[in-house]
Amino acid sequence: GIQVEQSPPDLILQEGANSTLRCNFSDSVNNLQWFHQNPWGQLINLFYIPSGTKQNGRLSATTVATERYSLLYISSSQTTDSGVYFCAVERLGAQKLVFGQGTRLTINP
Amino acid sequence: KAGVTQTPRYLIKTRGQQVTLSCSPISGHRSVSWYQQTPGQGLQFLFEYFSETQRNKGNFPGRFSGRQFSNSRSEMNVSTLELGDSALYLCASSLLRSEQYFGPGTRLTVT
Repeated sequence: GIQVEQSPPDLILQEGANSTLRCNFSDSVNNLQWFHQNPWGQLINLFYIPSGTKQNGRLSATTVATERYSLLYISSSQTTDSGVYFCAVERLGAQKLVFGQGTRLTINP
Repeated sequence: KAGVTQTPRYLIKTRGQQVTLSCSPISGHRSVSWYQQTPGQGLQFLFEYFSETQRNKGNFPGRFSGRQFSNSRSEMNVSTLELGDSALYLCASSLLRSEQYFGPGTRLTVT
């Protein structure tokens, strides 16, 4: 099946810093989503981005489908950005998301 | 528009018992998927339903089953619970072939 690798596994930054999270996948996909898991476990949708670039406030994402990777950018990090970020992909016709192992982001004040 | 809801939020069961979890999708969404999250295995796909039909199933034993009703609400059942079934169970809904939205999850503890 399709493999999804996220890097780095852990990232510790000071408040105000910028960060880049990467997601590599091993096959063509028709769906790619970025999520932030809150402390209670709920997955919060950040981006639905099978290709191209999107921005939402301090967050932006880029997916280069032909090279099978996606990047999530967080600028001017805040302590509330802390948590685990997941990338998940879906192959055409698969009807299921395959998740990476996540990047645990810690923002220190 | 209300989000995906899951009940109960927390559950404690004993080995050998069975459990039923419920998920109500976003209004108008007909696809419902279930995922299990554990510290060791991460997030893994259980099954997906569309219009009361199971379209895809993950690599889980037959003790895990589910169904979807005509109003798109879904239930999943785990029989003969094992300690390893302790996990966060997440439900997601979507329109056909589009972005998935997750509920708050049910945290199951098996003792």
